[in-house]
Amino acid sequence: DIRLTQSPSSLSASVGDRLTITCRASQNINVFLNWYQQKSGEAPKLLIYAATSLESGVSPRFSGRGSGTDFTLTINTLQSEDFATYYCQQSHSFPRTFGQGTKVEV
Amino acid sequence: QVKLQQWGAGLLKPSETLSLTCAVYGGSFSAYSWSWIRQSPGEGLEWLGEINHSGSTDYNPSLKSRLTISIDTPKNQFSLNLTSVTAADTAVYFCARRARSRARYVAYFDTWGQGTLVTVSS
Repeated sequence: DIRLTQSPSSLSASVGDRLTITCRASQNINVFLNWYQQKSGEAPKLLIYAATSLESGVSPRFSGRGSGTDFTLTINTLQSEDFATYYCQQSHSFPRTFGQGTKVEV
Repeated sequence: QVKLQQWGAGLLKPSETLSLTCAVYGGSFSAYSWSWIRQSPGEGLEWLGEINHSGSTDYNPSLKSRLTISIDTPKNQFSLNLTSVTAADTAVYFCARRARSRARYVAYFDTWGQGTLVTVSS
């Protein structure tokens, strides 16, 4: 299985901050990497697919970069509604796997 | 706008079978594949498997011997059956639509059900 390691596991931030979350794959996954946001008690929400493509309706404050084994999710000008847990997910190989999550707290 | 609505038993005893169904409202049912994903406090998000409109499936090898995903295309529904459950199967189960990007054909989960908490306890 492809292992995805996110860093940090949690972070404290303030409204207006710029954040970067990293996801590292255990092998080359090209651009087969997606990012999700999950708020407490809700289902995950797709933010970025294919490493860099912004899902329709998602704020352009979110952006993704990377290919191969190293990927980043950046949130510009953090808003109060952005405090949540973020997951990366790979679809290069079966089984599809997720990172362990990064919790963004106040 | 696509909506996924799921249902099923929320409390099971060890060795029983977990059964969940997900109904798809709106959109093209046959143009996508359909997935099950679960989330337990200790294990994070785990992809269980998926099925396409013709019934072709892919399963997580860790569950393959106990897992069956089926589809009812006329009803726009798909289902999950997980046999011989244990406390380790306690989790929130999500159904999700699996789409693919036009470029690179990257698969992703773009629409999710509301989740069903399934607890396995004697």
